[in-house]
Amino acid sequence: LAKTTQPISMDSYEGQEVNITCSHNNIATNDYITWYQQFPSQGPRFIIQGYKTKVTNEVASLFIPADRKSSTLSLPRVSLSDTAVYYCLVGDTGGFKTIFGAGTRLFVKA
Amino acid sequence: DSGVTQTPKHLITATGQRVTLRCSPRSGDLSVYWYQQSLDQGLQFLIQYYNGEERAKGNILERFSAQQFPDLHSELNLSSLELGDSALYFCASSVYPGGHSHGEQYFGPGTRLTVT
Repeated sequence: LAKTTQPISMDSYEGQEVNITCSHNNIATNDYITWYQQFPSQGPRFIIQGYKTKVTNEVASLFIPADRKSSTLSLPRVSLSDTAVYYCLVGDTGGFKTIFGAGTRLFVKA
Repeated sequence: DSGVTQTPKHLITATGQRVTLRCSPRSGDLSVYWYQQSLDQGLQFLIQYYNGEERAKGNILERFSAQQFPDLHSELNLSSLELGDSALYFCASSVYPGGHSHGEQYFGPGTRLTVT
């Protein structure tokens, strides 16, 4: 199973762009990279998923370099409501297990 | 609203008791996942079912068991409850059979279990 490493916490201000990087050195060829957001006492919510290069949707962008050993979630112009825990997950097509790491606690200040 | 429903929302019970948590997946989703989240352990994968069959097992205790029924709803049974079992239990569903390499999981609102 590919292990992921993320910063434990990050602080930002409203209106800024936030980039959260996840390291996954042992990523397998068939693994996708997925990011989830979780608010206190709520279930995680899917943000974005990618395999390589760049993926963008209405809420975030995901940048994946050619070696795929890391990925960066980019949140444009964050607001107070983006304060949450962000999890990076790397899929394992063989094990069918879902491993959530410790996540990154993002705190957005006014 | 993710489309995944979980009942009950809150459950308070005593040590040694047995409880059943219920999950209804999104319409069309065949996979159901169960997770436990406690303050000191983070989000822990317990078990996954796909179309009625067990697909993957995580850190699930022997006192815990689960099943997925023909109508695809799932139940998580927790027995001989201990204080340390107090946690939020989440159910998630997905249309895909395995892991999260393909597509996302949709999480329910959770059941908060308090063991006294």
